[in-house]
Amino acid sequence: EAEVAQSPRYKITEKSQAVAFWCDPISGHATLYWYRQILGQGPELLVQFQDESVVDDSQLPKDRFSAERLKGVDSTLKIQPAELGDSAMYLCASSLRTGRIGTGELFFGEGSRLTVL
Amino acid sequence: GENVEQHPSTLSVQEGDSAVIKCTYSDSASNYFPWYKQELGKRPQLIIDIRSNVGEKKDQRIAVTLNKTAKHFSLHITETQPEDSAVYFCAATVGGSQGNLIFGKGTKLSVKP
Repeated sequence: EAEVAQSPRYKITEKSQAVAFWCDPISGHATLYWYRQILGQGPELLVQFQDESVVDDSQLPKDRFSAERLKGVDSTLKIQPAELGDSAMYLCASSLRTGRIGTGELFFGEGSRLTVL
Repeated sequence: GENVEQHPSTLSVQEGDSAVIKCTYSDSASNYFPWYKQELGKRPQLIIDIRSNVGEKKDQRIAVTLNKTAKHFSLHITETQPEDSAVYFCAATVGGSQGNLIFGKGTKLSVKP
């Protein structure tokens, strides 16, 4: 069964350093999401892509976070500089469709757990 | 902003009992309501979903009900088993046609054998 791939699984960094996470969605899924999940809470949307275009980045802290999906396939989420409060699980998800008829099922990757010291 | 409230935050039941988790949403335009199960250290996985044109949906031991007037929906698990122990998240679409999901804070369900 096809899965969303993410790397690295774990990342420990010091504050003020730069970190990057990579996501490869399920083949054919046009919509890609990055979520942040703080321990004990639900996932919070950071950014949504439809193909290579950003559809929603209203919750992305743009002073330090950036995301790209240049060819409309895999995606990278970057944090520079990292802060203590960025410690969380970063989940990537993809879906086959979105739009007028409603959101399709989101398939999540296993996540990248970031610890900022 | 729009939000999804989920209750209870923790739920402990005996094996074989039923479990009910409730969510309320604020965006009257929400039209899709999925439930995700996340086992410890694993990715969230969809277990059931319901769209706004349906009031109830059932899949074996799991059912979801939706009350659009009251803006709340519930997950019902019958004949609970230890493997049902996990964190369950409800979600609702916000923002119109783009269908972005807002998640509740989760319910940690423990099923005691």
